[in-house]
Amino acid sequence: AQSVTQPDIHITVSEGASLELRCNYSYGATPYLFWYVQSPGQGLQLLLKYFSGDTLVQGIKGFEAEFKRSQSSFNLRKPSVHWSDAAEYFCAVAGTDKLIFGTGTRLQVFP
Amino acid sequence: DGGITQSPKYLFRKEGQNVTLSCEQNLNHDAMYWYRQDPGQGLRLIYYSQIVNDFQKGDIAEGYSVSREKKESFPLTVTSAQKNPTAFYLCASSIRGGRSSEKLFFGSGTQLSVL
Repeated sequence: AQSVTQPDIHITVSEGASLELRCNYSYGATPYLFWYVQSPGQGLQLLLKYFSGDTLVQGIKGFEAEFKRSQSSFNLRKPSVHWSDAAEYFCAVAGTDKLIFGTGTRLQVFP
Repeated sequence: DGGITQSPKYLFRKEGQNVTLSCEQNLNHDAMYWYRQDPGQGLRLIYYSQIVNDFQKGDIAEGYSVSREKKESFPLTVTSAQKNPTAFYLCASSIRGGRSSEKLFFGSGTQLSVL
């Protein structure tokens, strides 16, 4: 079955620290993978996506993600977190006819 | 500016009442979607429409109904049959339907609560 797992419900980091949010997927073929970000009380915004080619993809707001087929992972990273990055982050995989979302990771940033 | 508009931002439902959430887009997108978001559960697909006058059930369609009479509009009705309607509802659209790899554009959501 197609699924996405985000093992970390809540992560807290200090401003300026590096960040890695984990995402594992289950999908039979080559997956199309996405990371979306949601600010409180708002809709979701696409950060980046992977379809094929270079396994390290760059996104908006200084984020990047690396596709690792051997680990079925698509982790999101940022070298230096800003207070404005505090939000909820969703990993998703394109299923047969719909996007399948993970349960999200809430990021809290301390000054 | 093009985008997706959801209204109202907050909505309250009385027992046994049907309520309708509005979703309008001026992006000229073919496909539109309704998601329900509950804390700790991520997004769950209620209904989606790939083209005007056509729509399909998602994972949690029971207690909900939709229509797609115009390309720009995809209203969601939460019926009295939905026993636990309190949630944040998100509308989204994509350029084309039939390909889940398309980027989704989201509205800013409607918070529905039961009185």
